[in-house]
Amino acid sequence: GAVVSQHPSWVICKSGTSVKIECRSLDFQATTMFWYRQFPKQSLMLMATSNEGSKATYEQGVEKDKFLINHASLTLSTLTVTSAHPEDSSFYICSARDSRGGALYEQYFGPGTRLTVT
Amino acid sequence: LAKTTQPISMDSYEGQEVNITCSHNNIATNDYITWYQQFPSQGPRFIIQGYKTKVTNEVASLFIPADRKSSTLSLPRVSLSDTAVYYCLVGEGGGADGLTFGKGTHLIIQP
Repeated sequence: GAVVSQHPSWVICKSGTSVKIECRSLDFQATTMFWYRQFPKQSLMLMATSNEGSKATYEQGVEKDKFLINHASLTLSTLTVTSAHPEDSSFYICSARDSRGGALYEQYFGPGTRLTVT
Repeated sequence: LAKTTQPISMDSYEGQEVNITCSHNNIATNDYITWYQQFPSQGPRFIIQGYKTKVTNEVASLFIPADRKSSTLSLPRVSLSDTAVYYCLVGEGGGADGLTFGKGTHLIIQP
């Protein structure tokens, strides 16, 4: 099946610094990728839609200047958390949609990245 | 997107069949029903998807009545490793939009 990887799997950073998280589709092309955030014991919440070659679309309440998304190729999207604060500590998960389209399930999720801001 | 309602938690024992029901009264004609499984600190994993009647794969069955206002995920002979959160999602086919996850059902399997 299709595989999506994320790097790093976990990261600890100091308050005020920036952190970049990579999401890669390993064996398929993805014109669209999605970024989710999940706080402990809560469900996944969609943050933004990343489109290859164009600007990302952010969900209401998500600061686009804080969460920078770049989708420079058909297999890579990056999420940069700028000026991170402890409240940004969360589990960040990406998903990638197979460009060939099809049914709903053709969104494949990465393993997630645990961000801890101290 | 149609809103879904699932039990917050369920308990069962190894070897039993587990059925998790999801209500989606406002499902639209073009909507599919998809179930995901999530283990702690991992991304969701696709389990099964259906539109109507019954769908079966190697891990689960999905039962959808004619009115499609609910669906039931059936896990045969569960094991301890099936302890996870199960999410029911309803949405239009194509996967073009980000997914809206509800609270999910925390299934706990005991020995």
